[in-house]
Amino acid sequence: DIQMTQSPSSLSASVGDRVTITCRASQSISNYLNWYQQKPGKAPKLLINDASSLQSGVPSRFSGSGSGTDFTLTISSLQPEDFATYFCQQSYSAPRTFGQGTKVEIK
Amino acid sequence: EVQLVESGGGLVKPGGSLRLSCAASGFTFSSYTMNWVRQAPGKGLDWVSSITSSSNYIYYADSVMGRFTISRDNAKNSLYLQMNSLRAEDTAVYYCATGDTAHLYWGQGTLVTVSS
Repeated sequence: DIQMTQSPSSLSASVGDRVTITCRASQSISNYLNWYQQKPGKAPKLLINDASSLQSGVPSRFSGSGSGTDFTLTISSLQPEDFATYFCQQSYSAPRTFGQGTKVEIK
Repeated sequence: EVQLVESGGGLVKPGGSLRLSCAASGFTFSSYTMNWVRQAPGKGLDWVSSITSSSNYIYYADSVMGRFTISRDNAKNSLYLQMNSLRAEDTAVYYCATGDTAHLYWGQGTLVTVSS
């Protein structure tokens, strides 16, 4: 199975900050990488697929990059509604493993 | 509007069984690969099982292989997960979700608690 490792596990940031979350795969997954946002008590929401394709309706302050084994999710200017947990997921092969999550908290 | 509504969760003793259902509406269910993804309390997301649109291909996580069975009824727009020999570590919210390479639509989840 492909292992997905996110860093950091949590971070504290202020509104307006630029935030970067990284995700590393245990082997090359090309660009088969998704990012999800999850708020407490809610289902995950797909933000980005294929490493950098923003889903319809997702604010442009979110962006994704990377290929191979190293990927990043960037929030260019953190907004109050962005405080949540973010997960990466590889879709290169089954099982479609997730990272352990990065919790973005208010500083 | 796309809707996925899970049901069938509850409290069950170790070794017991439970059958989860996911009722789909608002999209062409028969065209989509469907998945079960679970989340233990306070933990991350854990993919459980997938089934292709015509049930031709089925995949399971190693942790549930031989104990869980995924199925679907395209005529009823429904997805199922039969869970047998349940263990404490199966305690989680179980979500159904669409898609093979990315899970665009998710249900609200149903809680399964395995405890004596």
